[in-house]
Amino acid sequence: QQQVKQSPQSLIVQKGGISIINCAYENTAFDYFPWYQQFPGKGPALLIAIRPDVSEKKEGRFTISFNKSAKQFSLHIMDSQPGDSATYFCAASISGSGTYKYIFGTGTRLKVLA
Amino acid sequence: DAGITQSPRHKVTETGTPVTLRCHQTENHRYMYWYRQDPGHGLRLIHYSYGVKDTDKGEVSDGYSVSRSKTEDFLLTLESATSSQTSVYFCASANQGMANYGYTFGSGTRLTVV
Repeated sequence: QQQVKQSPQSLIVQKGGISIINCAYENTAFDYFPWYQQFPGKGPALLIAIRPDVSEKKEGRFTISFNKSAKQFSLHIMDSQPGDSATYFCAASISGSGTYKYIFGTGTRLKVLA
Repeated sequence: DAGITQSPRHKVTETGTPVTLRCHQTENHRYMYWYRQDPGHGLRLIHYSYGVKDTDKGEVSDGYSVSRSKTEDFLLTLESATSSQTSVYFCASANQGMANYGYTFGSGTRLTVV
């Protein structure tokens, strides 16, 4: 019940296309869902995050869609660029836990072709 | 990665030897975490700290111990290194009230146990 399932494991997209990464969870106590972006040799960095009281959040070319009833959320990268090539992790946490532990998905390696 | 430094960045060690990885943050963050990153597993929590001398186990804590004697330092020790502990280790920090607005990650330590 603590797992966050992420798919696909890898993704190849043409420049200008839309990249879509999906995550699903079981624990309905999760109430914070961030996405992290990681470039080779670097630590992950926060990209965008959402709480379950909204169904969508957009920041520039990055959008999180959230479906509370299905317990799923997804990251959409519009107009994908070669510079977006990275590994993306979804995560979930319980804000009232007092520990702020994140459960991460297994990651998606995105490659955007020029 | 500003504010968190991990040392060493790379290490090769022999099976059965103890190893200590260091994490130093200058953000005055209360919460600190050690994760390991492995292909197909994403980021898995090893141990975390919610204050000086206050630590707890994560999902993959066997064979690891931690210590936090100062706010800024969080040490991870592999008591007797095994080949299964070959991985990339990431330290992260967060502050109360900000913890649900993202972790700050270090750049990682690549550990190889031969």
